[in-house]
Amino acid sequence: DAGVTQSPTHLIKTRGQQVTLRCSPKSGHDTVSWYQQALGQGPQFIFQYYEEEERQRGNFPDRFSGHQFPNYSSELNVNALLLGDSALYLCASSLMGAEGYTFGSGTRLTVV
Amino acid sequence: KQEVTQIPAALSVPEGENLVLNCSFTDSAIYNLQWFRQDPGKGLTSLLLIQSSQREQTSGRLNASLDKSSGRSTLYIAASQPGDSATYLCAVTSSGFGNEKLTFGTGTRLTIIP
Repeated sequence: DAGVTQSPTHLIKTRGQQVTLRCSPKSGHDTVSWYQQALGQGPQFIFQYYEEEERQRGNFPDRFSGHQFPNYSSELNVNALLLGDSALYLCASSLMGAEGYTFGSGTRLTVV
Repeated sequence: KQEVTQIPAALSVPEGENLVLNCSFTDSAIYNLQWFRQDPGKGLTSLLLIQSSQREQTSGRLNASLDKSSGRSTLYIAASQPGDSATYLCAVTSSGFGNEKLTFGTGTRLTIIP
């Protein structure tokens, strides 16, 4: 039973570029949440997708957008990258109405 | 706005000792509280989940307690081992309608000295 899969594991981008991160949820899960974790900090909630719609959103600018596909997988897109976007991006999947999250290993994004 | 604080930020103890990690939150109207473990550069592993109606949860050498009225939780680790070295994060959810967002503390980096 595969857990949450995130790709790529590491990524280096130049300031001003755009990036897409991908997440495949755990089998049986239908909800995907994205978190940003800066070095030495706790994860910060970006947004959550359920039934292919953004259900909740944290305090992040519109440069951060996402998508959920019919197979429940999800993408996180960040436009006009800033140096401050450098972080570990974590995907967590869950089953709507049930408790508990399964986290992926994350994508390490470095903006230079 | 819910804020979660974890003190200390870092802790080093000799192998075999029992230890306590602390977590506090500003809004007592939580639905549940979870403790996670994070190894360097890795994702999060759920350790324990405590419902707001519960006082504690146990799993092996780990015991988590919750005092919702005072906005505090503790994670007790018995007979610590070098493999317990990691960052421990607590997180709360503030609503009961399924899969609400997690609000995390900044974590306690634990080092067990062999």
